[in-house]
Amino acid sequence: DAKTTQPPSMDCAEGRAANLPCNHSTISGNEYVYWYRQIHSQGPQYIIHGLKNNETNEMASLIITEDRKSSTLILPHATLRDTAVYYCIVRVEGRRGSYIPTFGRGTSLIVHP
Amino acid sequence: GAGVSQSPRYKVAKRGQDVALRCDPISGHVSLFWYQQALGQGPEFLTYFQNEAQLDKSGLPSDRFFAERPEGSVSTLKIQRTQQEDSAVYLCASRVGETQYFGPGTRLLVL
Repeated sequence: DAKTTQPPSMDCAEGRAANLPCNHSTISGNEYVYWYRQIHSQGPQYIIHGLKNNETNEMASLIITEDRKSSTLILPHATLRDTAVYYCIVRVEGRRGSYIPTFGRGTSLIVHP
Repeated sequence: GAGVSQSPRYKVAKRGQDVALRCDPISGHVSLFWYQQALGQGPEFLTYFQNEAQLDKSGLPSDRFFAERPEGSVSTLKIQRTQQEDSAVYLCASRVGETQYFGPGTRLLVL
């Protein structure tokens, strides 16, 4: 199973871009990269996912390197409400074809005024 | 629309007591997952249902943990003879396509 490595913590000034890196050097060709975040005392929230092309939605952008061994989640204009733990996940195939997200410890992002 | 709901939100149990945690997934979601999240850790997979069938229970830590989803909608996670190490947040998620939607979790404290 592909594993991910993220820095344990980061901080960012409000209004600036937050760039959260993730290494997944053992990713296989058909495995997607997913990002979730978890705000304190809430369940994880889906942000975005991608295979090899860069992706953008209303929450964030996902930049995946050409060799797919790393990716960066970009929050273009971070707000205080973006303070959360961000998890980078590579799809893990479970039994009978189920997809079981495997969460690591993630990156604790603190957005400060 | 309504998201995934869980009840109770908080539960305090005495060691040895049995507890039951409920999950109401988003209507129509076939897949349902349970996770356990210890303090300062990421969620860890416990078990997975597709409709009423429990397809993967490899993450259940012991035979004291039991989950069911008899009608393919609401699910219950039961923990028998609770131990202090069972103290954690228990998260439920339902899935459509590639996206999981998580509930707020049940925070269990075993004294």
